[in-house]
Amino acid sequence: DAGVIQSPRHEVTEMGQEVTLRCKPISGHNSLFWYRQTMMRGLELLIYFNNNVPIDDSGMPEDRFSAKMPNASFSTLKIQPSEPRDSAVYFCASSLQRGANQPQHFGDGTRLSIL
Amino acid sequence: AQSVTQLGSHVSVSEGALVLLRCNYSSSVPPYLFWYVQYPNQGLQLLLKYTSAATLVKGINGFEAEFKKSETSFHLTKPSAHMSDAAEYFCAVSVNDMRFGAGTRLTVKP
Repeated sequence: DAGVIQSPRHEVTEMGQEVTLRCKPISGHNSLFWYRQTMMRGLELLIYFNNNVPIDDSGMPEDRFSAKMPNASFSTLKIQPSEPRDSAVYFCASSLQRGANQPQHFGDGTRLSIL
Repeated sequence: AQSVTQLGSHVSVSEGALVLLRCNYSSSVPPYLFWYVQYPNQGLQLLLKYTSAATLVKGINGFEAEFKKSETSFHLTKPSAHMSDAAEYFCAVSVNDMRFGAGTRLTVKP
């Protein structure tokens, strides 16, 4: 079975440009999570969706970040305008349903570098 | 609110030696606990999870973890390290949402 698919795997762009990260969750999974991983801050939850509806976006750093889930099989995380401090690895994860006992399945991440 | 602390950001063992990665949690209600592994340039993969069915949980690749309520711990062990075990390991606690520890990087020396 296909796991969580993220694209692109690597993105290098200049400060001020718009960046769009994409995620396809595992088919049948109802919850989707976006994380950011850096050496300094570790793994941070940015936002999560349940049944395509954003439930908690308190981790989104600022208004430059936005996330959408137009349907059950696709989500985007957008940064506009991008800044060098946004450089990080961004992970998407999905779980079968919302619940504390549900393990999350991670994609391989997008390594983002803002010059 | 729940939290998790991983003791030791780096652990180094020799091949064939015991692996012990420490995790302590804080939670006002009985939590679910997880261990994940991350290999270079990959996402996190589930090693094992505790859901109160048994205090000793066996996972993939020969790893296991024991839930000790009195010590609020969920340490990860493997009797004999293999070179392929070198990776970063994350403990996570879940009540309302999942919180990850800072991670422990395991190095295995030949």
